Parts: sequence; structure tokens; C-alpha cells
Amino acid sequence: QQPVQSPQAVILREGEDAVINCSSSKALYSVHWYRQKHGEAPVFLMILLKGGEQKGHEKISASFNEKKQQSSLYLTASQLSYSGTYFCGTPRTDSWGKLQFGAGTQVVVTP
Amino acid sequence: DAGVIQSPRHEVTEMGQEVTLRCKPISGHDYLFWYRQTMMRGLELLIYFNNNVPIDDSGMPEDRFSAKMPNASFSTLKIQPSEPRDSAVYFCASSLESRVGGQPQHFGDGTRLSIL
Repeated sequence: QQPVQSPQAVILREGEDAVINCSSSKALYSVHWYRQKHGEAPVFLMILLKGGEQKGHEKISASFNEKKQQSSLYLTASQLSYSGTYFCGTPRTDSWGKLQFGAGTQVVVTP
Repeated sequence: DAGVIQSPRHEVTEMGQEVTLRCKPISGHDYLFWYRQTMMRGLELLIYFNNNVPIDDSGMPEDRFSAKMPNASFSTLKIQPSEPRDSAVYFCASSLESRVGGQPQHFGDGTRLSIL
């Protein structure tokens, strides 16, 4: 089942913060995050494993709460380069290689 | 290191023609994935291979679509006959052998397919 992302879109000014959520109706063991810039391929950001860890990529960090079956991606002090569509992906426990991607959250950072 | 290489980057063809998309995964990667991306349906997994063997083709839309991986460094996705609704961006991705929690997937630049 496809994870659900919210919000669908967010517009930020440079320097502002934003949070993107990814939730699932099924138990999660891990959550993957990718960013896709317009006209380009998705690029891997990070994987969060069961255990509530937080990870970071530049000033982008994420948390994973397996009890809530949810992950959140934090864009801190956003930069113009953060613009793009962010996807979360969740693997199946019977097939770790296969990811189910959410619909994506479009982020626009303006000067 | 070279990333995932896809060809062609763009393909425009007429309805009914055969279309062949090609992918070279990252050397040493054991998994290869074919995705289709459209505005309406987002990023959909069509099929994936592990060590050249198709594992799950449940995402292949219909019999007009077929995929092969004759060796570890090459895969094709064919559409025959093509239809306008097949227009989309097709991505190939590869990853290392799966582990608990999954591995990062590395995407190629994609093939932008337009069927007239």
C-alpha cells in the first residue's frame, strides 16, 4: 500500500523551515527519502531504520517513529537548492528490495 | 564511477510502433528496477530483477510491455505495440544486494517517451 505524504505542496522563502510527513497504514521497518528536481531523476537522500533514529543530509534531517508508522522530513533554513519534489518510499518486509513510493511533496523555495 | 545509464534520453514515435528502452546498471549492483512516472499516477514500479532474474512484474501494465535482463550489465524494456497512453518518463534504477530495511536506489536520467 502506498504511503501517504503531506502536504502535497509547500512554498517557502529562503531561510524558512518546513516539515514533510510520510505515513503508512502498515507497520514500517524503514523509510527512504528521495528528492527529484524538475526534469531530473530522483536522488537518494537517506534511509531511516526502525529505532527512532534521526539522520541528516545537508540541513535536511528526518525522524522515524515506527509506533506512529510515520516519518517526517525537516527542511531547516531552506535554500533555493532545496526546491524539488520529495518522495518517501517504504519497502515490504517480504521483499526489502521493492519500494512503494508516496505521491510526493512539491517544495518551492523562493528568494 | 559511472551511474545508471539509460538510452535513449528522448523518444518520439507513432502509435503502433515498437519501442525499446535500454539500461546499464551500476557495476556490482544486484537489483535493477524499471519505473514509469506520470503526473497522474506518480512513480510506479513496473518490474524488478535480482541477479538478472525477474522477481516481480506485477506492475507491468499489460502484455504489450516486456522486460529482459540478459546479463548483469544490460536490461531492456519493450513496448509493442505502443499507444499514446504509454507516454511517460521511464526510469531505470539499480541497487546493491538487498538488506534489512532496503538499500539506496540509484536512478538513471530517464527516457522521456512520447507516443503520437
